[in-house]
Amino acid sequence: AQKITQTQPGMFVQEKEAVTLDCTYDTSDPSYGLFWYKQPSSGEMIFLIYQGSYDQQNATEGRYSLNFQKARKSANLVISASQLGDSAMYFCAMREGIYNAGNMLTFGGGTRLMVKP
Amino acid sequence: GAVVSQHPSRVICKSGTSVKIECRSLDFQATTMFWYRQFPKQSLMLMATSNEGSKATYEQGVEKDKFLINHASLTLSTLTVTSAHPEDSSFYICSARDSSNYEQYFGPGTRLTVT
Repeated sequence: AQKITQTQPGMFVQEKEAVTLDCTYDTSDPSYGLFWYKQPSSGEMIFLIYQGSYDQQNATEGRYSLNFQKARKSANLVISASQLGDSAMYFCAMREGIYNAGNMLTFGGGTRLMVKP
Repeated sequence: GAVVSQHPSRVICKSGTSVKIECRSLDFQATTMFWYRQFPKQSLMLMATSNEGSKATYEQGVEKDKFLINHASLTLSTLTVTSAHPEDSSFYICSARDSSNYEQYFGPGTRLTVT
């Protein structure tokens, strides 16, 4: 079964508008971390934002915020005021067991965001 | 900030040859490193977990004799693609886990093309 699901393979957004990228996850571990990464055409993985399962507040980092709904097991990424440079692939990822050094990241299938001028 | 390098960034090799890819953590120690493979327009798929001083743990379906991993020091892990074939052409990305804070940092990736 998929642990991380991103249901939007591709999305368009108008420059300067906000956009929400969906991510749902599945885990029985009470301790987990959720990540969002941006991958431009160069291929590098750029860390954007992190949310721990015990965090009380939604994470924010500049124009990025994470809409964490624990009961629904969703961790949507919201990008405000989209810029042309935001065009890229976006991956949601999860690590189970926050404090276990051996645990790896599991990635969703990704969403390609295209920002229109 | 923590930096992970990969070398080479691009490599083209002939079918049947072997290729070594290096992953280095430049300013932190990493007892654990991860190797991912990414085909065009697809997500990252974990190939193996590399542990310093011990054998790597391979994911199901990944041939350990074909993808040799050596994690000989706290800052270096290598992935060797042996007897490469065109179907091994892919983008290989490593990540290194900082031993002090468990944060994971990605390298810039290596694009392998086997002709």
